[in-house]
Amino acid sequence: GAVVSQHPSWVICKSGTSVKIECRSLDFQATTMFWYRQFPKQSLMLMATSNEGSKATYEQGVEKDKFLINHASLTLSTLTVTSAHPEDSSFYICSVSGGSTGELFFGEGSRLTVL
Amino acid sequence: GEDVEQSLFLSVREGDSSVINCTYTDSSSTYLYWYKQEPGAGLQLLTYIFSNMDMKQDQRLTVLLNKKDKHLSLRIADTQTGDSAIYFCAVNSNSGYALNFGKGTSLLVTP
Repeated sequence: GAVVSQHPSWVICKSGTSVKIECRSLDFQATTMFWYRQFPKQSLMLMATSNEGSKATYEQGVEKDKFLINHASLTLSTLTVTSAHPEDSSFYICSVSGGSTGELFFGEGSRLTVL
Repeated sequence: GEDVEQSLFLSVREGDSSVINCTYTDSSSTYLYWYKQEPGAGLQLLTYIFSNMDMKQDQRLTVLLNKKDKHLSLRIADTQTGDSAIYFCAVNSNSGYALNFGKGTSLLVTP
């Protein structure tokens, strides 16, 4: 399956700063990547669909100005959490749809802690 | 949207079989998946089943699908302590290629 890498794995930042998380598809050209958010003991919530060369599609209730997504190439999508606040602390996971059945391949996740 | 429900917790003894259950609402789902998440890590695809199948076996894993009842299960034979993790059921969504996930079942395997 596709190999997906995220960076950084952990990030701690002060409230009000912006944080960028990178998602790379290492062996697969991904026109579409997905960003999920996972709260403790809860499921994955789809935040947005990242489309190479065009605007991301955000799920209802997700602020597009808060969570900026850029998918400038077939191997890289970035999620920027702007003016982060403690309630943005979460585990963010990206994924690529690379299989014949539509299965998703996930990155290792990035844990954001906002102080 | 799609509702995917799972029991939240399961505890078994090492060597026993584990059965994790999942129900879903969208009968048009074509593929159904089981993912495993270890602490602090991303999700790893364990197995999947096509909707026109009712059973799939892959080594220690057996997936059963009851399409009429919209019920999916994952059986792990001879469960080992290394199987302790969170297991997510996922189905095709109606928003492109994204999947809808259940809340995950925490499996604890005790010696």
